Amino acid sequence: GENVEQHPSTLSVQEGDSAVIKCTYSDSASNYFPWYKQELGKRPQLIIDIRSNVGEKKDQRIAVTLNKTAKHFSLHITETQPEDSAVYFCAATPDRGSTLGRLYFGRGTQLTVWP
Amino acid sequence: DVKVTQSSRYLVKRTGEKVFLECVQDMDHENMFWYRQDPGLGLRLIYFSYDVKMKEKGDIPEGYSVSREKKERFSLILESASTNQTSMYLCASSLGRELFFGEGSRLTVL
Repeated sequence: GENVEQHPSTLSVQEGDSAVIKCTYSDSASNYFPWYKQELGKRPQLIIDIRSNVGEKKDQRIAVTLNKTAKHFSLHITETQPEDSAVYFCAATPDRGSTLGRLYFGRGTQLTVWP
Repeated sequence: DVKVTQSSRYLVKRTGEKVFLECVQDMDHENMFWYRQDPGLGLRLIYFSYDVKMKEKGDIPEGYSVSREKKERFSLILESASTNQTSMYLCASSLGRELFFGEGSRLTVL
């Protein structure tokens, strides 16, 4: 099955700085790459996703880039704020027939934004 | 607004007990999932289901079973709980690609 690696496992930045989290995947058939955010004590929630026919997607201060050739994708957060502090999970899925909806998650990155 | 409800937020059980974790979703989603979350290990898939009475093993099914008798309900069963099953358990449902998670059930096995 798919194997998703995520780095770094922890990341500390000063408020206002940028944060970048990187993920690699193994299955070249993967075509959907979501990012989930989990605040302390809360459930994971989808914050942004990208499909394989797109190289970059932005939503206000967050952006995701995808390099299919290298099999890696990244989450970029600009102008970080304390409320961005959370665990971020990347995921990938090949979306093949019976595996539709089955995500393969990275191990997560604990982002801490210091005021 | 999608709602995924897990019956218990916190449980404490003894080794060898049978444990039921219940999950109900109210959006008529076909797909339901059980994940286990441990620090540093991320979200690991235990079992999933694409339809009533249907189940598929995820990455770590050993020691667990599931039941899906109704579309809205997906139960995780620990036949004989062990201390290494102490963890946070997250249920999720989806219709398409987005997962909607419950708030989690923190299980401690003594």
